Amino acid sequence: TQLLEQSPQFLSIQEGENLTVYCNSSSVFSSLQWYRQEPGEGPVLLVTVVTGGEVKKLKRLTFQFGDARKDSSLHITAAQPGDTGLYLCAGMKNTDKLIFGTGTRLQVFP
Amino acid sequence: DAGITQSPRHKVTETGTPVTLRCHQTENHRYMYWYRQDPGHGLRLIHYSYGVKDTDKGEVSDGYSVSRSKTEDFLLTLESATSSQTSVYFCAIASFSGIGDTQYFGPGTRLTVL
Repeated sequence: TQLLEQSPQFLSIQEGENLTVYCNSSSVFSSLQWYRQEPGEGPVLLVTVVTGGEVKKLKRLTFQFGDARKDSSLHITAAQPGDTGLYLCAGMKNTDKLIFGTGTRLQVFP
Repeated sequence: DAGITQSPRHKVTETGTPVTLRCHQTENHRYMYWYRQDPGHGLRLIHYSYGVKDTDKGEVSDGYSVSRSKTEDFLLTLESATSSQTSVYFCAIASFSGIGDTQYFGPGTRLTVL
């Protein structure tokens, strides 16, 4: 059972466009993380959000944790080719193990 | 970058053969994890370890076993490989488990079972 669904699954955009990736669940998480993975490599942590409603910014990336701690979004402003990759959300429940989302593959064309 | 290596990086094997994948860390982290990654499924936890000789099952543990005899090494064994175990396998390490932990991932092992 996949507890974390990401949408869209694939996204192809031109450089300079804005985009939002969603991570949704019917379960409550104690924290939520976003990772980025490039081809042939393992995922790398971008951010951790803990509090419902929390917003964190990392340069052009804005992460938000839903008020009920069941969902999250990642917004990228003025996307660049270097943003290309697989974006994964991961939630932590009381078992202290991460549950990963289904992933969103982003391609940004110059 | 966290010091995590995985070996082999690529392996092709036949159905029914045993396969062992190795994860080695130089960070002295307590927690180690094995995940598999398949299209449309993200990463799924196979087994994890919270110390030497302390291991537990993840969500997709059937057909896999693990061992951790030293802090730095975590082995994943497929006793009798099946085609459904064709996947990319990632090892991860963490200094603690809980809110705010950071898992550092290895480069992955691509396993093909024919």
